[in-house]
Amino acid sequence: EPEVTQTPSHQVTQMGQEVILRCVPISNHLYFYWYRQILGQKVEFLVSFYNNEISEKSEIFDDQFSVERPDGSNFTLKIRSTKLEDSAMYFCATRRDLTIGEQFFGPGTRLTVL
Amino acid sequence: TQLLEQSPQFLSIQEGENLTVYCNSSSVFSSLQWYRQEPGEGPVLLVTVVTGGEVKKLKRLTFQFGDARKDSSLHITAAQTGDTGLYLCAGVNTGNQFYFGTGTSLTVIP
Repeated sequence: EPEVTQTPSHQVTQMGQEVILRCVPISNHLYFYWYRQILGQKVEFLVSFYNNEISEKSEIFDDQFSVERPDGSNFTLKIRSTKLEDSAMYFCATRRDLTIGEQFFGPGTRLTVL
Repeated sequence: TQLLEQSPQFLSIQEGENLTVYCNSSSVFSSLQWYRQEPGEGPVLLVTVVTGGEVKKLKRLTFQFGDARKDSSLHITAAQTGDTGLYLCAGVNTGNQFYFGTGTSLTVIP
């Protein structure tokens, strides 16, 4: 069964460093999402991406964040100059279309900023 | 930001009991989804409800979407230990943005 994969599973970084989180979507899916879940808190929408551009973003997704699909396969989330409060699980999700389509979530990347 | 409040936040019941989890908002959503999340994993979709007043059944789970499409409930009949997990509702707006609820952590005791 096709699934969304994410790498790395765990990333530890120093405050101020840049990190890139990677996601490989399901192959025929067109809509991609990043979510964040701080430990013990709810899942928060960050950004949606379609046709090589951002379609929606939340107030959390400020200039520190960027997304791209550089090679038509990986969908990446870049966090520039990480802060302590960026420590969280980051989930990628993909969706085939905008009808009542299921979002498939990846297993997540646990980001720890020291 | 469209807020979805879930209640209760924590629920611990005996195997075989029934339970209901609520998801409430002041906002209207085009559809609402229920997910279950295991520790260290991503959420897994259980159901999507679209029409106000809609009721969907998935074995022992019954989902209802409020008439005004602002709230929803999840009812589990005869809970089993395998039902233990974090249950999340998520409202979908017309702009393809998902808003997750605060979550209900269910523990079913054998």
